[in-house]
Parts: sequence; structure tokens; C-alpha cells
Amino acid sequence: KQEVTQIPAALSVPEGENLVLNCSFTDSAIYNLQWFRQDPGKGLTSLLLIQSSQREQTSGRLNASLDKSSGRSTLYIAASQPGDSATYLCAVSGNTPLVFGKGTRLSVIA
Amino acid sequence: NAGVTQTPKFRVLKTGQSMTLLCAQDMNHEYMYWYRQDPGMGLRLIHYSVGEGTTAKGEVPDGYNVSRLKKQNFLLGLESAAPSQTSVYFCASSYAVVQETQYFGPGTRLLVL
Repeated sequence: KQEVTQIPAALSVPEGENLVLNCSFTDSAIYNLQWFRQDPGKGLTSLLLIQSSQREQTSGRLNASLDKSSGRSTLYIAASQPGDSATYLCAVSGNTPLVFGKGTRLSVIA
Repeated sequence: NAGVTQTPKFRVLKTGQSMTLLCAQDMNHEYMYWYRQDPGMGLRLIHYSVGEGTTAKGEVPDGYNVSRLKKQNFLLGLESAAPSQTSVYFCASSYAVVQETQYFGPGTRLLVL
């Protein structure tokens, strides 16, 4: 059974800092990995999708990498801003629909 | 495009009551999903559908039923609500099950007393 773990569970950083969020998964037989953002009381918004054949994807200040063989992904956020404060979730798709991690709650302090 | 919408936004039920949550999408997506989100448990898949008239069980299907009579709608039913079903319910849809991103609705907050 696929299990997805996100470390740390919570992170607080000063504005402007670069930061890395981690995601690991137990079964490397995945089709893709996605990173989502969730604001309090809201639904999920897709940030980046990495296909299993890809190593990384970039969107603006966000860069996600995937190492399928080791079961790891990282989400790098450059020059963090208070507006980046949210919960970030990663999810993997394999033989079943998406399996989610529990998320990392990020607070960027002005 | 409205994307994915959910009705209602918030509901309070008494134990044993029934209700139906409605999810609608206007993106012509084949795949639709129902998740529940609980503190400390993350998002867990309840049921999903790979097309009109089809449904399949997810990780936590017990106590729920679903129907996909029309491509754009996916209904989640609770026949006899229990306090353990207090949660936030999210609907999502996607064009394909493994190649495409999922688009989420705003959620339905359900409290069962």
C-alpha cells in the first residue's frame, strides 16, 4: 500500500528566505507526483505535476524535483513571501488514484 | 467556467439522518472523486468514478454511496450519518486518472451530532 510522508509537518520562516519542503513515498511504481497548495478553509490548488519520466518542473518561484528510484520529491520555494503561507500537500498517482501526504503547514513571517 | 462546485457548503446532521452531497464540474472531465479530510489524517479517497454510470471504491468507502448518472455530476450519499463522518468533504475531477492534474471544489463541511 502506497504511503506518502511529508516532513516537516510545520515550518515558519522569515520573508525572503529560500526553503525546501520534502515528500517521500514508499512505492516507486508511480505515474506522477503532484504538489498542491491549500489555504485555510479552501480547496486544493494544483501547483506542479511531475510525470514519472521527468526529473523536475518549474513554475515561477517554485521548483519541484522527483527522484522516483529513491521515493523522494522536494518543493523548492525561492524568495518566500507572506502570501506563500498555506499548507502544501504532495500526492502520488499509481495503480490507484492520488494518495496524499498529510501536508506541511508553511508560515512566512513579514 | 465555474470549475468544480459543491453543494452545500456547510451542513449539520443528527446521528441517523441521511443526506446527499452534490458535486458538479463543467470541464467535461471523465474522472471524478470524493475525498474526506480530517485533522491528522490528511485527504483520503472515499469513492471515485471513471466515467458516466461507473463508480469504484476508494480507501474509506464504508458508510457512503455514490452515483454518477450524468457525466458532470457526482453525488455522495450518507444513508445513516454517524459522528465519525464529521469531516470536510472535497470533490475533484480530472480529464484522465493518471496523466492529468485534479481540480478540486471548495469543500463541504459536515458536522454530525
